Amino acid sequence: NAGVTQTPKFQVLKTGQSMTLQCAQDMNHEYMSWYRQDPGMGLRLIHYSVGAGITDQGEVPNGYNVSRSTTEDFPLRLLSAAPSQTSVYFCASKSRTGLRETQYFGPGTRLLVL
Amino acid sequence: GDSVTQMEGPVTLSEEAFLTINCTYTATGYPSLFWYVQYPGEGLQLLLKATKADDKGSNKGFEATYRKETTSFHLEKGSVQVSDSAVYFCALSEVNRDDKIIFGKGTRLHILP
Repeated sequence: NAGVTQTPKFQVLKTGQSMTLQCAQDMNHEYMSWYRQDPGMGLRLIHYSVGAGITDQGEVPNGYNVSRSTTEDFPLRLLSAAPSQTSVYFCASKSRTGLRETQYFGPGTRLLVL
Repeated sequence: GDSVTQMEGPVTLSEEAFLTINCTYTATGYPSLFWYVQYPGEGLQLLLKATKADDKGSNKGFEATYRKETTSFHLEKGSVQVSDSAVYFCALSEVNRDDKIIFGKGTRLHILP
C-alpha cells in the first residue's frame, strides 16, 4: 500500500490564481480530511468527508472547496489564491468516522502564494 | 471547546538525556490522545496513542500515559538519540462525526551529539 499520497510537494502561486491539491489513499478508507499547518498554530481542519459524495466544513473552510467523487480521492481546490493561504497542507484518512482508530497523514504540500 | 496545551520549545538536550514533553488537554467527553512526530521535511507520523484513562502508549522507546485525573499525556523517553530531533505534536480526538484532531502547537526537539 502506498498509504496517503499528495501532489504536488511544492507549489508557488500568484494571488488570484487557482489550483487543486491532490490527495489519494489506497486503503479503502471512508473518512478523509484536509488540514493546514501554520507556524505556532499547529494544524487546523479545513474540510472533511465521511464517504464518497459527502463533504463538510471544518474549522477554517473559507477560500477552499472540496469534492469526493470516489472513495480514493479527495482534492482540495483554491479558486482564487490569497497570500493568507500560504501554508503546508496535509491530507489524512481513517477507515471510518466515529471510531477510535488512527488517522494516517500524507507527506504534505507546501504552498506559497505571492 | 476542546484544546491541547504543550510545552513550548525548542527543547535542546544532549544525546542519552531523559526527555519529558508536557501535554495537558481540555475536553468535554472522553477523547483519544495522540503524539505525532514530524521529522524535518516530512509529514506527520503517529508516534503513539491511548484511547482510555490509564492506558499507556509506547513506541520507539517513547511512552505516554493517559491521566484523566490530571488531564495530561506527557511524552517521555529514557535516552534520546540525535535521530529523535523533530517536532512533536500532542493531539486529541473526540468520537464525533467530524473526527477532528485537535493539535497542540508543537514542540521542536534538538538533540546534540
